[in-house]
Amino acid sequence: KAGVTQTPRYLIKTRGQQVTLSCSPISGHRSVSWYQQTPGQGLQFLFEYFSETQRNKGNFPGRFSGRQFSNSRSEMNVSTLELGDSALYLCASSLSGTPYEQYFGPGTRLTVT
Amino acid sequence: GQNIDQPTEMTATEGAIVQINCTYQTSGFNGLFWYQQHAGEAPTFLSYNVLDGLEEKGRFSSFLSRSKGYSYLLLKELQMKDSASYLCAVFEGGSQGNLIFGKGTKLSVKP
Repeated sequence: KAGVTQTPRYLIKTRGQQVTLSCSPISGHRSVSWYQQTPGQGLQFLFEYFSETQRNKGNFPGRFSGRQFSNSRSEMNVSTLELGDSALYLCASSLSGTPYEQYFGPGTRLTVT
Repeated sequence: GQNIDQPTEMTATEGAIVQINCTYQTSGFNGLFWYQQHAGEAPTFLSYNVLDGLEEKGRFSSFLSRSKGYSYLLLKELQMKDSASYLCAVFEGGSQGNLIFGKGTKLSVKP
């Protein structure tokens, strides 16, 4: 069974631009969660989608948004990029949304200059 | 507030035993997870504790005390490949809860 895939793996953007990241979950998994990982803050929860609905949201500004498609693939978007948005963005998928069987993707490394 | 504390770095010798501690204060609790993350890679699941006590899985064991808000991950017979960051995470609860992570403990295993 293929694992969680994320594209692109690396991205360099300029302050003020916007970016869209993609996550394809494990086949059959309906929940996708997104996390931001930085050296200073560690892993922080962004939001979770289940069956195309956002079920849970972390404490991030509205510049961070996401969506999920009918095939469970998910995208997250960050608008008006700031230098502090430079991070590793990880997505994780699971069957039902609880973290008991949550599998992480390799992440997208975003650098904002 | 929500707070999960674990040491930033630890060093141990190959073949030895190391214990990585985690203390937490969260608004809800429905389980504690440990993940391993090698540099540049995704976190991988190690263990899950929801009841007090010790869970053993091969060379790795995890302990939980809910009354003390405390957990530890015990790694035995350390190998060089165990050099990684170890993340403690609390699941706040409910089917729609989310994981709250500590900042991770970077473990270096020396020969």
